This record gives sequence, C-alpha cells and structure tokens, in this order.
Amino acid sequence: EPEVTQTPSHQVTQMGQEVILRCVPISNHLYFYWYRQILGQKVEFLVSFYNNEISEKSEIFDDQFSVERPDGSNFTLKIRSTKLEDSAMYFCASSEAPKGGTDTQYFGPGTRLTVL
Amino acid sequence: SQQGEEDPQALSIQEGENATMNCSYKTSINNLQWYRQNSGRGLVHLILIRSNEREKHSGRLRVTLDTSKKSSSLLITASRAADTASYFCATDFNQAGTALIFGKGTTLSVSS
Repeated sequence: EPEVTQTPSHQVTQMGQEVILRCVPISNHLYFYWYRQILGQKVEFLVSFYNNEISEKSEIFDDQFSVERPDGSNFTLKIRSTKLEDSAMYFCASSEAPKGGTDTQYFGPGTRLTVL
Repeated sequence: SQQGEEDPQALSIQEGENATMNCSYKTSINNLQWYRQNSGRGLVHLILIRSNEREKHSGRLRVTLDTSKKSSSLLITASRAADTASYFCATDFNQAGTALIFGKGTTLSVSS
C-alpha cells in the first residue's frame, strides 16, 4: 500500500541553524501538508501546498518557514533559523484532490526535530 | 478557525468493553474526521463523516455527527489491547480549504 515517507526520522540541530525536512507524498496525490506536534500537545497545521504554491497557512508558518516541491516526488519544509521552541515532531501529509472541503489525509511517520 | 475538542481526555477500559469518545467543534464544517495515533507515531485515518451524514460505520467503529449540537462521537466496540492509542477528531481549518485542525485528543488505554 502506498505510504508517505519522511526523512530523517530524527534531526538534532543547534539553535540558529537551518534545517530541511523531507517528505515523499503518495504519488498520485495533489495536496501536501505539514503539521507539527510539540511533545504532549495537539497536532497543529502549518501549511498546505497545491499546484506548486501555498494554498493555506497558519499563524505558526511565519517567515522562518518555507516549503518547496523541488521535483516530482519530494516535498520539503525548511526552517531558516531554528529556535528552541521549534523542537517538535513534524508530520507531512498528502491527499487526493478533495471533492469538497477536507478529505482523508495520509500522514508520514514524522521527523522529530530537537533544537539545542 | 475551527477547533475540535475531545472528551474525555483519558479513558481506561478493559478488553471487550466499548469505548466512547466525544468531540465538539465551534463553527460550520464540511467534514469531520477521526484519526488514531500510537505513541510517538504518525496519525492513521480512521473514518470521515460528511456534514450531511449522521452516522457511519467501519468495522468496530461507529461515528455519529450532530451538526445542530456541533458534536461527534466515536464508538469503538469490543475493544482490544491494540486499540490503545490517542484518538483525535479533525475538522476544517477553514471551510474553504483542505487543511485540518485537530483537537487535543483522547488517550485510550485498554487493558487485558
């Protein structure tokens, strides 16, 4: 069964460094998402991406974040200058073209980002 | 933005018992979904119910939706130890989009 994959599974970085989290969505999906979950808290939406552009974003997704689909398979989240509070599990998700509003999203296993 | 909030926050039951979790949200939605998360893992989609549906079944899962009360419930029948996980409801981040907003979740513990 097709699945969303994410690399790396765990990333440790120093505060102020840039990190890139990578995702390979399910191949025939058209919508891509990034969510994050701070330890012990709920899953929070960051950004959605469709047709090579951002379609929605939350207040969390500020100028330090960016997303890109550099080729036909990868979807990346870049955090330009990491802060301690960016430490979280980052989940990528993808979905087919929804038929009206939200639809089933398929989540990857996550990347645990630890900022020291 | 919308927000689903689950109730109870934690639930402990014995194998074979039924587990009921509730979710409330604030404004109109297109769809409501339930996801499961095993400890430290990704989210797994369980079921989607559309705003014009009142009840939906999938195996041992039964979901109801009451749009007049802005609430939904997830019933897991004949629970198993493998059902131990956190369960989240998710609604539209905004009604015109496709992103999800999640509640805080119910942590279900099923003991054998």
